[in-house]
Amino acid sequence: KAGVTQTPRYLIKTRGQQVTLSCSPISGHRSVSWYQQTPGQGLQFLFEYFSETQRNKGNFPGRFSGRQFSNSRSEMNVSTLELGDSALYLCASTFYGQGNTGELFFGEGSRLTVL
Amino acid sequence: GENVEQHPSTLSVQEGDSAVIKCTYSDSASNYFPWYKQELGKRPQLIIDIRSNVGEKKDQRIAVTLNKTAKHFSLHITETQPEDSAVYFCAASSFYGNNRLAFGKGNQVVVIP
Repeated sequence: KAGVTQTPRYLIKTRGQQVTLSCSPISGHRSVSWYQQTPGQGLQFLFEYFSETQRNKGNFPGRFSGRQFSNSRSEMNVSTLELGDSALYLCASTFYGQGNTGELFFGEGSRLTVL
Repeated sequence: GENVEQHPSTLSVQEGDSAVIKCTYSDSASNYFPWYKQELGKRPQLIIDIRSNVGEKKDQRIAVTLNKTAKHFSLHITETQPEDSAVYFCAASSFYGNNRLAFGKGNQVVVIP
C-alpha cells in the first residue's frame, strides 16, 4: 500500500507570494491533517479535513487555508507569505472506521523556504 | 487549548543504558497520548501510545507510563541502541482518534556507541 505522498518536496518563494501544497493520503484514509514543523517549536496543528469538511482548525492566521477533494486528496494554501512561514509542512492521514488505531501516517513533508 | 511540554530537550546516553523522556500536559480532558519518533530527514512515525484508562504499556524495549493525577507521561527506552538516536515527540489529545494532537517540542536522543 502506498504511503502518504506530498508534493512538492521542496520549494522556495519570496515574501508576499502564495503557495499551494498537495497531499495524497493512504488509500482508504478519509482524514487528512496538516502540521507545521519548525526547529524548536515541534509540530503545530494547522487543520484537519474529513470527507471534504474541515473538522478542526489550529491557531494559525487566515492566510493558511486548506481543502479536501472527494478522493480525499488535500491541499493547503498559504497566501501573502512571510519569512516566518518557512517550515516543513507535514500532512498525515488516518483511517476512520472499525479497527481505527488513532495512528497518524505522515508524509515526508514539503519544505518551504520564504526569502 | 492543550499544552504539552517535554523535558529534557536533549538527552545523551551510552549504548545499552536506559533513556527516559518526560512530558506534562495541561488539559485534564486529554485521554490519548502517543509518542512519535522522527529520524533525521525522515517522517515522524508512531512508536507507542497509551490511553487514559491504562497506566502503563510496554512493547519490547519501549514502555510508556501515565500518571493522570499529576498529568504527566513518560517514555522509557531500555538497552538503547544507535538506531534509537532520533527526535521523540510526545503528544496529547482529548479524543482518541482525533487528529488534533498537541505535540511537545521534541527531545533529541543521542545514543553514544
